[in-house]
Amino acid sequence: GAGVSQTPSNKVTEKGKYVELRCDPISGHTALYWYRQSLGQGPEFLIYFQGTGAADDSGLPNDRFFAVRPEGSVSTLKIQRTERGDSAVYLCASSLNPNTGELFFGEGSRLTVL
Amino acid sequence: GQQVMQIPQYQHVQEGEDFTTYCNSSTTLSNIQWYKQRPGGHPVFLIQLVKSGEVKKQKRLTFQFGEAKKNSSLHITATQTTDVGTYFCAALSRGATNKLIFGTGTLLAVQP
Repeated sequence: GAGVSQTPSNKVTEKGKYVELRCDPISGHTALYWYRQSLGQGPEFLIYFQGTGAADDSGLPNDRFFAVRPEGSVSTLKIQRTERGDSAVYLCASSLNPNTGELFFGEGSRLTVL
Repeated sequence: GQQVMQIPQYQHVQEGEDFTTYCNSSTTLSNIQWYKQRPGGHPVFLIQLVKSGEVKKQKRLTFQFGEAKKNSSLHITATQTTDVGTYFCAALSRGATNKLIFGTGTLLAVQP
């Protein structure tokens, strides 16, 4: 597709379960970002990839959160032992120019932890 | 860590009135971007400012970057109902990684 694709669009899980969220960026975009957005808040930075490597993971809240981008394209955000406080919309964005370029966001994955 | 604050948090205007949102950073910025997020949607890029004191216009929208590169503003002239949404500034710190930090956002409501 032409835009950033995120799956699933909606995920409901129980506390303590493991969750994977997938992001397929725009073809050719080397930079990929994960953000988390709670209701009424701005997107909160989680992690940024340049190619296959995590250039900055300072926003990951704790070691239950992990993200990979093994081939420099698709990325997966993994959350272990989910907690109710993890409920949010997880946004993925990609960029052609990592230094100054605009971010193109996907529609997001809404995670609800019961 | 770096913080980006926006004021006001919420603004309600009558259609045709002007609107301004302000963005302030605790650190000097390399550049600043503005995004609009419609209710239920995702952020969409509006513009990027790079130079100190830069002013850019897009139809009824005017964007400004402060001389010290620590603040920015977005002004909408004669608001329309299509302007409804949350406006975020997003900042790239000078010397930091390419981590774009989003502001707290200003929610604009326009009454017809």
